[in-house]
Amino acid sequence: QLVLQESGPGLVKPSETLSLICTVSGGSISSSGYYWGWIRQAPGKGLEWLGSVYSNGYTYYSASFKSRLNISVDTSKNQVSLALRSATPLDSALYYCATPGTTVAGTRYFHHWGRGTPVTVSS
Amino acid sequence: QAALTQPASISGSPGQTLTISCTGTDIDIGTYNYVSWYQQHPGHAPKLLIYDVANRPSGISDRFSGSKSGTMASLTISGLQAEDEADYFCCSYSGSSTPVLFGGGTKVTVL
Repeated sequence: QLVLQESGPGLVKPSETLSLICTVSGGSISSSGYYWGWIRQAPGKGLEWLGSVYSNGYTYYSASFKSRLNISVDTSKNQVSLALRSATPLDSALYYCATPGTTVAGTRYFHHWGRGTPVTVSS
Repeated sequence: QAALTQPASISGSPGQTLTISCTGTDIDIGTYNYVSWYQQHPGHAPKLLIYDVANRPSGISDRFSGSKSGTMASLTISGLQAEDEADYFCCSYSGSSTPVLFGGGTKVTVL
């Protein structure tokens, strides 16, 4: 059973980099062949896909975030990381890590989700 | 503004059948059979209900079904129950520069 747990500083200052980690248990990222995605949800709003990374490090990004987003995997720690540069208050949201949990799904759906970690961007 | 269009809210009585629409374009729903649906209760992470238009993951009730016609996908909830009161989001693969698109969400209220 895959378990995903997001973590990171709950408060980030404007213009700084928003950095989060997703720790995976119950399976190995390096041997999974899965995509691992980051999705966020602003308070009272809908879901917004930011990007996904394959187990070998290949990435897909939303065009809206491509210029300031980096997603990567650390197979030695079994973690997926997100770094969103030049954060603004509009980046305040609950950030989820998710994966389809199957090699055939690519990035097209997400079956396993973490509980999410809240981030506020404020001075 | 969300990339896929859903009604903001819909309501029904217990036992009724509800259908939630999700409208896309020719480069997402209209081209790919990669529509998924998620249920989210307040304070909880989204839960996958349907993938690849009409497939249910193991453990999901057969009261939930999905379909697609042209650029519109639909989620049907039959035999509506109080526990179905939640937010529902559609998602589609896209051939655009953003390959994963979500709808704005539909709040389902059980009267």
